Amino acid sequence: AQTVTQSQPEMSVQEAETVTLSCTYDTSESNYYLFWYKQPPSRQMILVIRQEAYKQQNATENRFSVNFQKAAKSFSLKISDSQLGDTAMYFCAFMRTNTGANSKLTFGKGITLSVRP
Amino acid sequence: EAQVTQNPRYLITVTGKKLTVTCSQNMNHEYMSWYRQDPGLGLRQIYYSMNVEVTDKGDVPEGYKVSRKEKRNFPLILESPSPNQTSLYFCASSFWGNTEAFFGQGTRLTVV
Repeated sequence: AQTVTQSQPEMSVQEAETVTLSCTYDTSESNYYLFWYKQPPSRQMILVIRQEAYKQQNATENRFSVNFQKAAKSFSLKISDSQLGDTAMYFCAFMRTNTGANSKLTFGKGITLSVRP
Repeated sequence: EAQVTQNPRYLITVTGKKLTVTCSQNMNHEYMSWYRQDPGLGLRQIYYSMNVEVTDKGDVPEGYKVSRKEKRNFPLILESPSPNQTSLYFCASSFWGNTEAFFGQGTRLTVV
């Protein structure tokens, strides 16, 4: 079974600064996907970024980038130039590649990020 | 507009009173799934469906039922709700084998 661990329950960052959210995971799979989802107060689940495990290059999406360390099973999210709209809960998630019938996402507990003006 | 629609968005009910949370998607996705979100636990899968008439249990299926009679709809049924089913529920859909999941807006359920 896969597990995803987000050990920091809360973080705070000043607007325009950079913040890094940590995530570790455990799996015996060699091929899989990792995700960061954002959940603002509206509760909507928004995909921020996706990383394929077989790709060594770290994924980036505008101000969002990841540091994927496959051997260490670490997948951190860096948010540059933080904006007030980045205030949200962030979930790290895992999906096996060979899912068979079930494309299940395994989520971490989430981290609440507050961006201070 | 491509979307997953859940109803209702908020629901307060009493223990034992059967309820259904509806989920509908307009993207012709084969795969649909239900999750519950609880503080300190993240989201956990309840049930999933690969296609019409094909459903199976996820990680926390106790106390829930689902059906998939039409491709677009995947209702979540609580036959006899209990207070430990108070939670935030999400429906999600995708093309089978695709990693891009589309989530509904969430249903906040309170069982008293």
